[in-house]
Amino acid sequence: DAKTTQPTSMDCAEGRAANLPCNHSTISGNEYVYWYRQIHSQGPQYIIHGLKNNETNEMASLIITEDRKSSTLILPHATLRDTAVYYCIVRVARGSARQLTFGSGTQLTVLP
Amino acid sequence: GAVVSQHPSRVICKSGTSVKIECRSLDFQATTMFWYRQFPKQSLMLMATSNEGSKATYEQGVEKDKFLINHASLTLSTLTVTSAHPEDSSFYICSARFPTGAPGGSYNEQFFGPGTRLTVL
Repeated sequence: DAKTTQPTSMDCAEGRAANLPCNHSTISGNEYVYWYRQIHSQGPQYIIHGLKNNETNEMASLIITEDRKSSTLILPHATLRDTAVYYCIVRVARGSARQLTFGSGTQLTVLP
Repeated sequence: GAVVSQHPSRVICKSGTSVKIECRSLDFQATTMFWYRQFPKQSLMLMATSNEGSKATYEQGVEKDKFLINHASLTLSTLTVTSAHPEDSSFYICSARFPTGAPGGSYNEQFFGPGTRLTVL
């Protein structure tokens, strides 16, 4: 699976949009970008995934650059409960039995 | 979404004892489950892949005789830490792979349990 690079930490004001970047310059054509988050002392939670088109769900939006070498996760209106470590993971498509490889992630702190 | 549970959520034991952690997929059958370990302020590290009805596959550096994994049914995998020592104290997390093509499935293939905090005194 392609390696990802994320900033170690970020702060965001409550109510503002949180934009979390991820670089994955070695991504292959059949690899998806997944985002998970882990609130302190809990198991990871799936947020969103995408291949090359931008995606949106009830939790977040995912913007993938045209060359697919980087992406941005957007939490449109961050709340205090969004404080967590956010992991960007690149892996092959659905149906693979391969595990998720977690990097160091980005610690997002939402400030009141 | 699908639910994965772990039991116990927290355990404290004496050095030298064995501890069993259960991982259950509550509303789906999982042929594959994964076990991760997370030390404080570090990321999740995969320990092993558990396949129903067959031997687990361990990652390099993980002692299979110390971390016994049993996946006897499609909804249950267990991790037993044998002769636990203080350095085994960690947060153990399992995930279960949702079967491809099953009703209710999605691209979120893996669902994670809430984790088990193990403290060895």
